[in-house]
Amino acid sequence: DTEVTQTPKHLVMGMTNKKSLKCEQHMGHRAMYWYKQKAKKPPELMFVYSYEKLSINESVPSRFSPECPNSSLLNLHLHALQPEDSALYLCASSQTGGRNNEQFFGPGTRLTVL
Amino acid sequence: AQKVTQAQTEISVVEKEDVTLDCVYETRDTTYYLFWYKQPPSGELVFLIRRNSFDEQNEISGRYSWNFQKSTSSFNFTITASQVVDSAVYFCALGFGTGAGSYQLTFGKGTKLSVIP
Repeated sequence: DTEVTQTPKHLVMGMTNKKSLKCEQHMGHRAMYWYKQKAKKPPELMFVYSYEKLSINESVPSRFSPECPNSSLLNLHLHALQPEDSALYLCASSQTGGRNNEQFFGPGTRLTVL
Repeated sequence: AQKVTQAQTEISVVEKEDVTLDCVYETRDTTYYLFWYKQPPSGELVFLIRRNSFDEQNEISGRYSWNFQKSTSSFNFTITASQVVDSAVYFCALGFGTGAGSYQLTFGKGTKLSVIP
């Protein structure tokens, strides 16, 4: 199974809402990632978890709060977002170490903030 | 600093033509990884190929082939006999270890490939 799943596929929320994005993989990968992708732009790294611990936070505003409950799940909690946060949010996972370190991406969640 | 440059913003080819996508990278790391990803209109990034910095052997996989040259810091990707289903945005990415077992990717701006029937 080389699949990364993400829910929901689409999300529309107001600036005062609290919502969560979910990501799941069953490939035994111990590294998981959140990316943000604006239209016609490349993905930009937000957070990296390695062995369920946050290892990289690319200066992301605190209105984005990541969580890694276990080795298969990755959440992104959203609160008090701004319209400019509207984007495609991609989750990925990879092996830790070794040469086969390609990241496998999920289909993404298209977020619209009104 | 890590940097990936894809000079071609958009390319259009007629079906069955060969097409090469260019990628130039910059890094001071001696160990790094290079990737090509495909992003169709549906949005999902699909892994295509990986090359490690210590392995310059070029390979062919089906209709895909790549040319990795450390001397010119280039990692070009060729699709042979293009098909309409190849239409997508293609990203070149440079990966390096974070020290915690994970890998950080720096993406180029992407090249939009349109294959015309």
